[in-house]
Amino acid sequence: GAVVSQHPSRVICKSGTSVKIECRSLDFQATTMFWYRQFPKQSLMLMATSNEGSKATYEQGVEKDKFLINHASLTLSTLTVTSAHPEDSSFYICSARDPRAGIYGYTFGSGTRLTVV
Amino acid sequence: RKEVEQDPGPFNVPEGATVAFNCTYSNSASQSFFWYRQDCRKEPKLLMSVYSSGNEDGRFTAQLNRASQYISLLIRDSKLSDSATYLCVVTRYSSASKIIFGSGTRLSIRP
Repeated sequence: GAVVSQHPSRVICKSGTSVKIECRSLDFQATTMFWYRQFPKQSLMLMATSNEGSKATYEQGVEKDKFLINHASLTLSTLTVTSAHPEDSSFYICSARDPRAGIYGYTFGSGTRLTVV
Repeated sequence: RKEVEQDPGPFNVPEGATVAFNCTYSNSASQSFFWYRQDCRKEPKLLMSVYSSGNEDGRFTAQLNRASQYISLLIRDSKLSDSATYLCVVTRYSSASKIIFGSGTRLSIRP
């Protein structure tokens, strides 16, 4: 089945620094990828939809300048958390839809646990 | 009001019991429906799709009622390994295709 690779799986960074998270579709081309954030004991919250070759679409309340999304190719989307703050500590997950798999095609990366100290 | 609503639980049931989860969605334009399972600190994984005609996979049965905008998941003969959070997921295919997650229902199976 479709595979989505996400790196790093775990990262600890200092306040004020930036962290980049990569999401790759390994065996299919993804024109659209989704970025989610999950706080402890809460559900996944969609942050933004990443569109290959164009600007990402952000959900209400998500700061575009803080969470930079780049989808430069059909197999790679990156999320950069800029000027990280302890409040940004969370579990970030990407998802991509394999168009070959129809409605079953949503596959998730393994997630990135970000801790800002 | 959230677009997809679930009872957060937790449900704590003995091994072998039958347990049912419910989910409601508010957007009538929703087109596809799924149940995902998420283990602690892991990514969600697809458990099964949900159809109006019902969908059964072993001990798991999922049902969709479009008129009531209601989705259910039934787990029979529960196992210890069924302990997880079950997420109700709704998708829409439009100019802004989205996957909407419910808040999840936590299930704990005790020996």
